Amino acid sequence: QKEVEQNSGPLSVPEGAIASLNCTYSDRGSQSFFWYRQYSGKSPELIMSIYSNGDKEDGRFTAQLNKASQYVSLLIRDSQPSDSATYLCAVKGRLGGGGADGLTFGKGTHLIIQP
Amino acid sequence: DAGVIQSPRHEVTEMGQEVTLRCKPISGHDYLFWYRQTMMRGLELLIYFNNNVPIDDSGMPEDRFSAKMPNASFSTLKIQPSEPRDSAVYFCASSYGGGVREQYFGPGTRLTVT
Repeated sequence: QKEVEQNSGPLSVPEGAIASLNCTYSDRGSQSFFWYRQYSGKSPELIMSIYSNGDKEDGRFTAQLNKASQYVSLLIRDSQPSDSATYLCAVKGRLGGGGADGLTFGKGTHLIIQP
Repeated sequence: DAGVIQSPRHEVTEMGQEVTLRCKPISGHDYLFWYRQTMMRGLELLIYFNNNVPIDDSGMPEDRFSAKMPNASFSTLKIQPSEPRDSAVYFCASSYGGGVREQYFGPGTRLTVT
């Protein structure tokens, strides 16, 4: 059974600071990892994906992956009030087809950026 | 280009009634996913299709739930009979290719069963 764990929060961060969101997963065979942002009443939207150990940067966002520790994180630099949302960590079992293309989601971390 | 389209956006029904949720994936996408989101359980995969064929339905909670994809541009999720515990937001998502390809989510259908 795949499990993805996140701290539900709320995580409160002052505007302009770095927000750090964490996620652990149970399936050691997991190959690909995603961070989705979900505003209240809206659908999830993909903001970052990562497949290899290390860091991946995209604008103000950095995803970090450590497969040995089964740990994924998302850093948001220069946090803005518009970043206030729930951030969902998602894990996919293995690359390619077969029965492993659906995502397993954590329950999300509610992030609040204080002006 | 239109995104994933779901209908209805809101559905209120009484326990025991049949409910049908509809989804139109993004044109050209060959994977379609149905997810359910509740406060208690979060976002859960129910079933997904590849080229209109169901690949994994292990997340379907029980026999009251069924899903079909008669063609590449249409899918339904049916609940019969509905129960109050089925109240949730149901999302449809699609992608071009499986694996690491991004899944695009529709706006969701908020289902309330009274």
